[in-house]
Amino acid sequence: DVKVTQSSRYLVKRTGEKVFLECVQDMDHENMFWYRQDPGLGLRLIYFSYDVKMKEKGDIPEGYSVSREKKERFSLILESASTNQTSMYLCASSLVDGNQPQHFGDGTRLSIL
Amino acid sequence: AQRVTQPEKLLSVFKGAPVELKCNYSYSGSPELFWYVQYSRQRLQLLLRHISRESIKGFTADLNKGETSFHLKKPFAQEEDSAMYYCALRGSAGNNRKLIWGLGTSLAVNP
Repeated sequence: DVKVTQSSRYLVKRTGEKVFLECVQDMDHENMFWYRQDPGLGLRLIYFSYDVKMKEKGDIPEGYSVSREKKERFSLILESASTNQTSMYLCASSLVDGNQPQHFGDGTRLSIL
Repeated sequence: AQRVTQPEKLLSVFKGAPVELKCNYSYSGSPELFWYVQYSRQRLQLLLRHISRESIKGFTADLNKGETSFHLKKPFAQEEDSAMYYCALRGSAGNNRKLIWGLGTSLAVNP
């Protein structure tokens, strides 16, 4: 069974802090994704990666960056956290075959004070 | 433009009633369609995909290319079906790895 693990379930940070959200998958998936989930706005893609050190911007990349140094790990970085980045963050992974589903982690509920 | 529309934010039905969650899409080629579900305090997970033509937990969905729809149906709703449901599309053109998501429909099944 695919396991996508996000490092924190809940996180509270202060405005201006640099925040790291970590995600690890154990199924050798090529693709990894970071989304934020907000009520009424659904899932919005922040960044995704299709290989080590490769990344592409999603729909809302502003204020975020990512790092993929190893295939199993995909990190989301908030360079200088702001209150409008308070959200639920979801990590997902998938095989390169588009018919294969994305597998999600439990999510990190991030609050920026 | 590629788009997935779920017209209902909230759908409320009684236990045992039929349920249909609507999904319409806009895509010029041959898309791949998925339904994902998120139960309370659980992770988002795949419910079914059109290419499998399967029934999961009593739910079915048929891709109607003429109406560009992929509605999710269940003949008799159960209380445990209460959840958030998302329809998603993946385009077939090129090396498209992303999913286009609808905004979701919250299904409440009342006793």
